[in-house]
Amino acid sequence: NAGVTQTPKFQVLKTGQSMTLQCAQDMNHNSMYWYRQDPGMGLRLIYYSASEGTTDKGEVPNGYNVSRLNKREFSLRLESAAPSQTSVYFCASRMGGAIGNQPQHFGDGTRLSIL
Amino acid sequence: SQQGEEDPQALSIQEGENATMNCSYKTSINNLQWYRQNSGRGLVHLILIRSNEREKHSGRLRVTLDTSKKSSSLLITASRAADTASYFCAPGANSKLTFGKGITLSVRP
Repeated sequence: NAGVTQTPKFQVLKTGQSMTLQCAQDMNHNSMYWYRQDPGMGLRLIYYSASEGTTDKGEVPNGYNVSRLNKREFSLRLESAAPSQTSVYFCASRMGGAIGNQPQHFGDGTRLSIL
Repeated sequence: SQQGEEDPQALSIQEGENATMNCSYKTSINNLQWYRQNSGRGLVHLILIRSNEREKHSGRLRVTLDTSKKSSSLLITASRAADTASYFCAPGANSKLTFGKGITLSVRP
């Protein structure tokens, strides 16, 4: 059982380039999330999808777009990368429900450097 | 923001000792969750306590929740070197979590 799979694991971009980070889960979860983790900042929510067909902004959405392709896949796109977006990006999924009394399951992250 | 704030920021103990980590938050929650992160890996869920619960156990983990004080604590008993990791509390409301900056736990053999 793979859980949450993120690709790629590492990427280096130049300022202004675009890129899509991929995330897929095989647990039949309804909700999916994208976070970024910076040193000393903890994890901050970028976007989330409560269910297939819906997406909502999180705490730090500027400079990002998302697509909930189907129930399994949730992608994060940087249209014009900036050095401030250098970070480790984590995707997570959860069974679902408005109250949220279930754990989130995380992938191992994509380490993105923008020069 | 109801971001969890963990305390202390870093903790170093000897193998076999207990480790106590604290978390405070600001607004109403549905639950509070604790996660562990090993270096270079994603977060792993440890334990979830609902807002109507006061204490919960899972193996060597004990978590408490005091909603009147808006605080939680995580106790790891009989620590092992393998417990060395970062620990995050995450207050949860309306299907979203907000993570604190984490506690770095070092367990010396």
